[in-house]
Amino acid sequence: QVHLQESGPGLVKPSETLSLTCTVSGGSIATYYWTWIRQPPGKGLEWIGYTYHGGSTNYNPSLEGRVTISKDTSANQFSLTLKFVNAADTAVYYCARLDDGSGSRLDFWGQGILVTVSS
Amino acid sequence: SYELTQAPSVSVSPGQTAKITCSGDRLGDRYATWYQQTPGQSPLLIIYQDSRRPSGIPDRFSGSNSGNTATLTITGTQVLDEADYYCQAWDRGVVFGGGTRLTVL
Repeated sequence: QVHLQESGPGLVKPSETLSLTCTVSGGSIATYYWTWIRQPPGKGLEWIGYTYHGGSTNYNPSLEGRVTISKDTSANQFSLTLKFVNAADTAVYYCARLDDGSGSRLDFWGQGILVTVSS
Repeated sequence: SYELTQAPSVSVSPGQTAKITCSGDRLGDRYATWYQQTPGQSPLLIIYQDSRRPSGIPDRFSGSNSGNTATLTITGTQVLDEADYYCQAWDRGVVFGGGTRLTVL
């Protein structure tokens, strides 16, 4: 069973950089797509982006330019950085595994971490 | 960009059949995926490849996808099925619908 756990600061100041890490156990991140999703309080899910094969990435166009997703295969972790945050970036951030075989599906999710953007 | 549209809310009585729809341009040409999210929990995959259920998901959950609409059907709805349901598809990345809150009362 694959287990994912998000970690990082729960409070970030406006205009600063949000940094989160997802630690994966029970499976290697060398395969599959590894994804970040967020959910503002009381709202729906928003795909942020993912990393896959050898460190390639794909990002939501609405966040392109502010977001970077990277992975450390030796540590079995992948990370999210989001620059120049503002209050609209306040959300629960989830990491998840994306199985892209025959239709995409997010089959394993972390518990989520609430990140608040506030001074 | 590709968009998926869901009704904000659906209500059903216990034991009845709930249908939650997801609309998108030629959605039937893509695979639809469904997630269930109860308050304070992470989303849970309940349907993938339009109609397949992961291990452990009760068979009262079923899915279909044709034309512009994917449908999640819950047969014999139970109170514990009260949750938010999200559809998802692929369009050069992951696309989510806005979510439907299912109320069972």
